[in-house]
Amino acid sequence: NAGVMQNPRHLVRRRGQEARLRCSPMKGHSHVYWYRQLPEEGLKFMVYLQKENIIDESGMPKERFSAEFPKEGPSILRIQQVVRGDSAAYFCASSQIAGVIYEQFFGPGTRLTVL
Amino acid sequence: QKEVEQNSGPLSVPEGAIASLNCTYSDRGSQSFFWYRQYSGKSPELIMSIYSNGDKEDGRFTAQLNKASQYVSLLIRDSQPSDSATYLCAVTRERGAQKLVFGQGTRLTINP
Repeated sequence: NAGVMQNPRHLVRRRGQEARLRCSPMKGHSHVYWYRQLPEEGLKFMVYLQKENIIDESGMPKERFSAEFPKEGPSILRIQQVVRGDSAAYFCASSQIAGVIYEQFFGPGTRLTVL
Repeated sequence: QKEVEQNSGPLSVPEGAIASLNCTYSDRGSQSFFWYRQYSGKSPELIMSIYSNGDKEDGRFTAQLNKASQYVSLLIRDSQPSDSATYLCAVTRERGAQKLVFGQGTRLTINP
C-alpha cells in the first residue's frame, strides 16, 4: 500500500502528557501537511513541511505544538502538555513535487483523546 | 466573511438524481480548487481538482469553476446511496504546493 501512513490511529493521553503523531508520505511525495479537525468543525491547516524544512507554520498554535520532517524517517507532530481542547482528529497529507496542481492525499488520521 | 463557504446541509437527493454541491470563496487570488469526500469517522478522499474556468468531468462527477463569480460546484450524476457523505470544498491561493483552506462541508444524503 503506497498511501499516506499515520500512526498511531488512536492515542489517549492525560492532561499534561506529550503526544507524538507520525506521518509517512506517499512514495515519491516530499511535501507533508498537517491538518486538525475538531469535533463538528472543519479541517484547519496547521503546518507544511518539506524534508528538514518548515515551509509554512501559520496554522500552528504558538505554544506546545511543533513539527518536523527529518531527512530520514516520518514527519512528527508533537504536542506538549496536552489539554482537553487538543482532542481532535489530526490528519497528515502529502503531495508530489511535479505537476500543475499539487493534489494532496490524506492519511487515515490520528484520533487524539485527552482525558 | 469566511474564506470558503458551503451550505452545511443536509442535502437530500433521491437515488439516481443529480446532486449539486456549491462553494464560494472570498480570495480572488485563489488558483486551485478541490473537492474531497469524507465519510463519518474517516479521512478526506480527493474526488476532483480544477484550476481552469469551465467544466471538468471524471466519471459521474463534474466540477465547475467560475472565477469571475468566485464559485466552484460539484455535480454528481446518477447518485448512489454510497455517495452519502460530507463533501468538502478546498482552495489554495497558488498553484504550487500550498495550504488548503477548507469550507465547513456539505452533508449529502442519497435516499434509496
